[in-house]
Amino acid sequence: AQKITQTQPGMFVQEKEAVTLDCTYDTSDPSYGLFWYKQPSSGEMIFLIYQGSYDQQNATEGRYSLNFQKARKSANLVISASQLGDSAMYFCAMRDIYTGNQFYFGTGTSLTVIP
Amino acid sequence: NAGVTQTPKFQVLKTGQSMTLQCAQDMNHNSMYWYRQDPGMGLRLIYYSASEGTTDKGEVPNGYNVSRLNKREFSLRLESAAPSQTSVYFCASSERGAGVTNYGYTFGSGTRLTVV
Repeated sequence: AQKITQTQPGMFVQEKEAVTLDCTYDTSDPSYGLFWYKQPSSGEMIFLIYQGSYDQQNATEGRYSLNFQKARKSANLVISASQLGDSAMYFCAMRDIYTGNQFYFGTGTSLTVIP
Repeated sequence: NAGVTQTPKFQVLKTGQSMTLQCAQDMNHNSMYWYRQDPGMGLRLIYYSASEGTTDKGEVPNGYNVSRLNKREFSLRLESAAPSQTSVYFCASSERGAGVTNYGYTFGSGTRLTVV
């Protein structure tokens, strides 16, 4: 069963605008962690942000924030004030008690920032 | 710099050839992983090692073998390469996840493998 779903294969955003990348997940475990990674064209995987299922507040890291809606099982990444360097692939991932040591990744969203 | 080191970065193989991808981490992590990344399919787990001395199959293990040589090193072997194994391979490490969900991965820089 697909644990992580990213329904936007490609997104475009104007420079300096905000953009939301969607992610929904599936787990029956009450304890889980959600992660977002960035993969620029150079290929490395860069950790961006983490949200725990018991966290009361949405996670934020600089221009990145995670819009966590637990009841809807969604963990959307919001990038504010987009920059040209934000053009990359973005992956949502989840880890829960059942998967334990394994992460499940979505298929990714390709973001292009337009000058 | 601390992190995960993968070698080689690029490799071209002929069908039927064998090779080993090497991975080493210096963060004293217990768990190590091998993923493959294909266009439109995200990252799929090939094998993982929860701790030294243990290995387990992931989602796509066929055609691969692994060895957890010690706590630092986790290698991936292709015994008889096939064109379907053309992909980008990532090694990653993490603290052991059982009961703890906030440990993320640290990734290597990837190996781009082409099988012709």
